[in-house]
Amino acid sequence: DTAVSQTPKYLVTQMGNDKSIKCEQNLGHDTMYWYKQDSKKFLKIMFSYNNKELIINETVPNRFSPKSPDKAHLNLHINSLELGDSAVYFCASSQGSAARNTIYFGEGSWLTVV
Amino acid sequence: AQTVTQSQPEMSVQEAETVTLSCTYDTSESDYYLFWYKQPPSRQMILVIRQEAYKQQNATENRFSVNFQKAAKSFSLKISDSQLGDAAMYFCAFIDSNYQLIWGAGTKLIIKP
Repeated sequence: DTAVSQTPKYLVTQMGNDKSIKCEQNLGHDTMYWYKQDSKKFLKIMFSYNNKELIINETVPNRFSPKSPDKAHLNLHINSLELGDSAVYFCASSQGSAARNTIYFGEGSWLTVV
Repeated sequence: AQTVTQSQPEMSVQEAETVTLSCTYDTSESDYYLFWYKQPPSRQMILVIRQEAYKQQNATENRFSVNFQKAAKSFSLKISDSQLGDAAMYFCAFIDSNYQLIWGAGTKLIIKP
């Protein structure tokens, strides 16, 4: 029954590795997001997709590549992981613009790069 | 630049008492939305309450209510009859014209039994 689910919840990996975080929503929403929460708890938007099309692409390294195979999924792939990538990554979704509709968040994926 | 400020890094309240978390924001827009989110130890972000700027009436959700002062750009959250399950990080957030959520730094709420 989870509305927005992301896997894995915890990921510990070495520098230089490539990893993916998957996200799925069963709310029928047309817009999905990836946020990064750093050690200071600030949440920063990374990407936003609407109907599988990229609509927000903040200044993030090219090592981060989102992929949306369909409206219900938005996966995040990270190449050549660096220590500074350690953070909690949140997937979220909304129906239409987040400006006017509630965003639903997943439980977060805690990435630790060692 | 649009910003959200939560000046209280940590607040504590006795169980069953009332606590108010403060939030101020800065924007030049006239139509926007404000949110309070709760992040318990499970780390999930849970929407607590939402306020549309064009509405003068303060939003309420059961024990949670806001004091929205548009002219002062203030958006405080009041939690009545605090319960142990209310313990969490609380984030104030604002939607900007690019449809991005601008977040405050968060306030850690501790409930004393």
